[in-house]
Amino acid sequence: EVQLVESGGNLVQPGGSLRLSCAASGITVSSNYMSWVRQAPGKGLEWVSVIYSADNTYYADSVKGRFTISRDNSKNTLYLQMDSLRAEDTAVYYCARDNVHYYDSSAHHYGFDYWGQGTLVTVSS
Amino acid sequence: DIQMTQSPSSLSASVGDRVTITCRASQSISNYLHWYQQKPGKAPNLLIYAASNLQSGVPSRFSGSGSGTDFTLTISSLQPEDFATYYCQQTYSTPRDTFGQGTNLEIK
Repeated sequence: EVQLVESGGNLVQPGGSLRLSCAASGITVSSNYMSWVRQAPGKGLEWVSVIYSADNTYYADSVKGRFTISRDNSKNTLYLQMDSLRAEDTAVYYCARDNVHYYDSSAHHYGFDYWGQGTLVTVSS
Repeated sequence: DIQMTQSPSSLSASVGDRVTITCRASQSISNYLHWYQQKPGKAPNLLIYAASNLQSGVPSRFSGSGSGTDFTLTISSLQPEDFATYYCQQTYSTPRDTFGQGTNLEIK
C-alpha cells in the first residue's frame, strides 16, 4: 500500500522559513516524479514544484527563487524548503506522485495518483 | 500558461441524477486532461486520467470524454458519496500543470 505522510506545517511570520517533509512508503521516491501541490483556504489547487527521477527540478513562477524541492533517498522522503514566506503562501500543502506512463520512448504524465493528507502552512504576523 | 475553465462552478443535483461537468482548455492539450474528486478536509482523488481512462478502484458510473480543448466528466447516476468538488487538470504543458477552478456538486 502506498502512503505519503506530510509534516512540518506551522504558523510562521512573513519573511520566515519552513521545511515540509513527505515520508513515503510503498513507493521509492527516487524512482518517481514527485510533486508539491497547494490549496489556499477555500480555493482551488495550485501546482508548486516537481522533482524528476533524474533530479531535474521545476517551480511555479509564484515560488521560484524562494522554494526548493529535494529528496533524501536514504529516508525515502521528499522535502520542500520554503523561504521568504508571504501571506499568499498560506495553504494546505500536499505531496503527490506523478502518474507517469512510459511508451513511445517517452514519459507521459497523467495526473497525480497518490496524495498525502496535507499539512497546513499559515503565514501571518 | 494554459488556462483551464470549468463549468458550471457549482451544481445542485439529486441522488440518481445524471450529471455532466465540462472543462475547456485555452489551447489544444490532446488528451492530457485528468479529473479529480475532493471532499472537505481530504486530498484530491484521481478519477479519470488521459481524458477517458478510469483510474483503478473508481466506480464505473464515472466516465470522461473529449480531446483537444473540450472535455466532460459524467456521473451516470449520482450517489450520496459523490457530492464533492471536482477539478480538471492539464498536464500537456508539464511540468507547468494547471487545474481548473473546481465545480462544487451539492445535494438539491
